[in-house]
Parts: sequence; structure tokens; C-alpha cells
Amino acid sequence: QKEVEQNSGPLSVPEGAIASLNCTYSDRGSQSFFWYRQYSGKSPELIMFIYSNGDKEDGRFTAQLNKASQYVSLLIRDSQPSDSATYLCALGGGRRALTFGSGTRLQVQP
Amino acid sequence: EPEVTQTPSHQVTQMGQEVILRCVPISNHLYFYWYRQILGQKVEFLVSFYNNEISEKSEIFDDQFSVERPDGSNFTLKIRSTKLEDSAMYFCASTQGTSGETQYFGPGTRLLVL
Repeated sequence: QKEVEQNSGPLSVPEGAIASLNCTYSDRGSQSFFWYRQYSGKSPELIMFIYSNGDKEDGRFTAQLNKASQYVSLLIRDSQPSDSATYLCALGGGRRALTFGSGTRLQVQP
Repeated sequence: EPEVTQTPSHQVTQMGQEVILRCVPISNHLYFYWYRQILGQKVEFLVSFYNNEISEKSEIFDDQFSVERPDGSNFTLKIRSTKLEDSAMYFCASTQGTSGETQYFGPGTRLLVL
């Protein structure tokens, strides 16, 4: 049974700060990791994915993966009020079903 | 930019009634999925579909559920006899399915069973 754990939050950061979102997972065989953003009442929107250990940067977002520790994180630099949403960590991808965590609610204070 | 579309956006039905939720996946995608999200809970996988057959399904996807690709563009989820606990947001997703591809989600159908 794959489990994905996230702190539900809310995580509150001031505008312009770095927001750090964390996720741990139980399935050591997991290969693909995804971060989705979900605004209230809306569908998940892909932010980025990561497959290899280390960091992957895309604009203000950096995903970090440590397979040995079964840990994946998302850093958001220069946080904006529009970043306020729930961030979902998910495993799987390609053809396989995604397994989602419960999400971390981020609040960026102006 | 191509996107997954879903209809209707909202559906209200009486318990025991049949509902059909519709999705149009991205045109060059080969794998299709249904997920649901009960209010306040995590997104849960229901079923995946490839080459006109189910490729994977979860424990949630019991005999009350069925999926179909009736033509070259639509992908449907049918719930035969709705229960109160079927009230949720239902998301369709699609992917090309090649290694490294991600799943793109439609806007969802909010189903309310009374």
C-alpha cells in the first residue's frame, strides 16, 4: 500500500519569503514524483515533476528528491499571495495511477 | 494549449439514480483516468483506461462503476445507482503514457447525491 504523507498546514509565510513544502512516501520502488497545486474547488494543476535524486529548478520553484530518505520537497521562492493554495504531492506517473498525499495548505500573507 | 474538458460542471441527482460523467481527453493522449475527491479529503484514483479496456482500478471502483470510450473523443464514467457517499468532485485526467509524461486534469464535475 503506497502512502504519501504531508503536513496539512496551514503553512503561513510572508510575501517574498521562501515557502518549503515537504512530503514523505512509503514505497521505495516509487520512481516518479509530482507536485500539483490545487485552488479551492478547482482541479489539480501540475507544477513540476522530478525523477532523479537532487534538485530540479523551474522558475521560482525547486523540487528536491532524496530517495534514500524517501523524501521529496518543494521550495517556492519569492512567494506571492497568488501562491496561496493547497499543494499536493503525488507518486506514479506515466501510465500508472497517481497516489496523492492529503496536501499542504499554503497561505502567503501580503 | 490543449486541455482536458469535462461535462457537466455540476450534477445533482437523487440516490439510486444513474449518472454519466463525460470527459474529452487531450487529443493525442492514449491513457485516461478517473479520480475523485470527497470534500476535504485527498484525491483518490478510481480507474485507468487504455486501448479500450481498463488497465488498472482501485477498490473504490466496484460494480456500480463503469467506464467507456464510446467514440474517438469522449471518455465516460457511469455510476449505476448512486449513493450519498458518491458525492464528490470527479476528475478526468489523461497522458500520452510515454516515460516521463504527466497526467493532466480536467476541471472536474461536482456530483451531489441527495
